[in-house]
Amino acid sequence: DTEVTQTPKHLVMGMTNKKSLKCEQHMGHRAMYWYKQKAKKPPELMFVYSYEKLSINESVPSRFSPECPNSSLLNLHLHALQPEDSALYLCASSQERGRETQYFGPGTRLLVL
Amino acid sequence: AQKITQTQPGMFVQEKEAVTLDCTYDTSDPSYGLFWYKQPSSGEMIFLIYQGSYDQQNATEGRYSLNFQKARKSANLVISASQLGDSAMYFCAMRLFFSGSARQLTFGSGTQLTVLP
Repeated sequence: DTEVTQTPKHLVMGMTNKKSLKCEQHMGHRAMYWYKQKAKKPPELMFVYSYEKLSINESVPSRFSPECPNSSLLNLHLHALQPEDSALYLCASSQERGRETQYFGPGTRLLVL
Repeated sequence: AQKITQTQPGMFVQEKEAVTLDCTYDTSDPSYGLFWYKQPSSGEMIFLIYQGSYDQQNATEGRYSLNFQKARKSANLVISASQLGDSAMYFCAMRLFFSGSARQLTFGSGTQLTVLP
């Protein structure tokens, strides 16, 4: 089973709203990732969690706040976003050793008005 | 720093024919992995195939095979017997195994494949 789930599938929010994106995996992976992807572009890494600890933060604005409550869950809290933050947000997970193949979820399409 | 280049922004192939998607990479590290992902219009990134830098054989997974030429630093994806469902964006990616940024995948710019009936 290589399933990563993400909710919601679509999200529309205003610039003053607070919302959260959720990601879940039950593959026993201990590394989890958030990516942002604009149309026709490759994904851009935002955050990496390793054993529930934030290990990489790619200079992401503070209006994006990640959280890893346990080894299966990853959240991305959104606050005071800008229209340019509209994108596809992808979650991925991988094992901590070996190939570390990243398995992606279906993504959340976010539109900021 | 590592870099992945995909020189074909768009490709067309007739149904049931084979197609090769090009990928070249640049790294001075000897230990790395190369990945191909498929992204349909629905958005999900689907892992297709993996090739390690020390693997002696070219990787194969069903209709997908990877033409790995280490000296040329190329890792082309070959899709045999194309199907309409193969129409998607395809990304080549690389991960270094000995690096402070070992968790990060470096992606190419992608190739949009369209399979014609």
